[in-house]
Amino acid sequence: KAGVTQTPRYLIKTRGQQVTLSCSPISGHRSVSWYQQTPGQGLQFLFEYFSETQRNKGNFPGRFSGRQFSNSRSEMNVSTLELGDSALYLCASSLGREANYGYTFGSGTRLTVV
Amino acid sequence: AQTVTQSQPEMSVQEAETVTLSCTYDTSESDYYLFWYKQPPSRQMILVIRQEAYKQQNATENRFSVNFQKAAKSFSLKISDSQLGDAAMYFCAYRTPNSGGSNYKLTFGKGTLLTVNP
Repeated sequence: KAGVTQTPRYLIKTRGQQVTLSCSPISGHRSVSWYQQTPGQGLQFLFEYFSETQRNKGNFPGRFSGRQFSNSRSEMNVSTLELGDSALYLCASSLGREANYGYTFGSGTRLTVV
Repeated sequence: AQTVTQSQPEMSVQEAETVTLSCTYDTSESDYYLFWYKQPPSRQMILVIRQEAYKQQNATENRFSVNFQKAAKSFSLKISDSQLGDAAMYFCAYRTPNSGGSNYKLTFGKGTLLTVNP
């Protein structure tokens, strides 16, 4: 059974540009969540999608957005990139929203903004 | 708001010995879930063990076990017979069930970097 796949693994962008990250959840998983990981702030929740609808959003500016497709694949977009957006972005999937048995994470996309 | 605190930024252990990683949390909820995740250099977060707050019995998974003290809001991870492959960053995480609500997310601690010495 394939795990959670995130593409690309690494990305370098310039300030002011926008970026799109992709996440393919485990087959059958309908909930996808995104987290930002930085040395200073640690792991912070970005948003959660279930059945193509954003169900929960963290405390991030509107430059951060996402969507989920009918096949449960998800993308997150960051517009007008800032240096502080440099981070590891992790995607996690679960069968349902409750995820009482935990989430399965991907290996992340390392975004560097220069 | 729920918070999770891991007071040990770094820990080290000799191979084959036992180590305990600490985690405390703050919540006003009575029903919730706690997790320990491991993040090796490959970056992927791997679920190590989970605990349901309404279950008093401490969870165990092979060499990994927890000491869950609900009243003290403490959730420590014990790794027995430590192996070189256990070296990683370990994160404690909290999640409310909050059925029907919008609060389905994990709140993580800052992590503990575990080094295993041969």
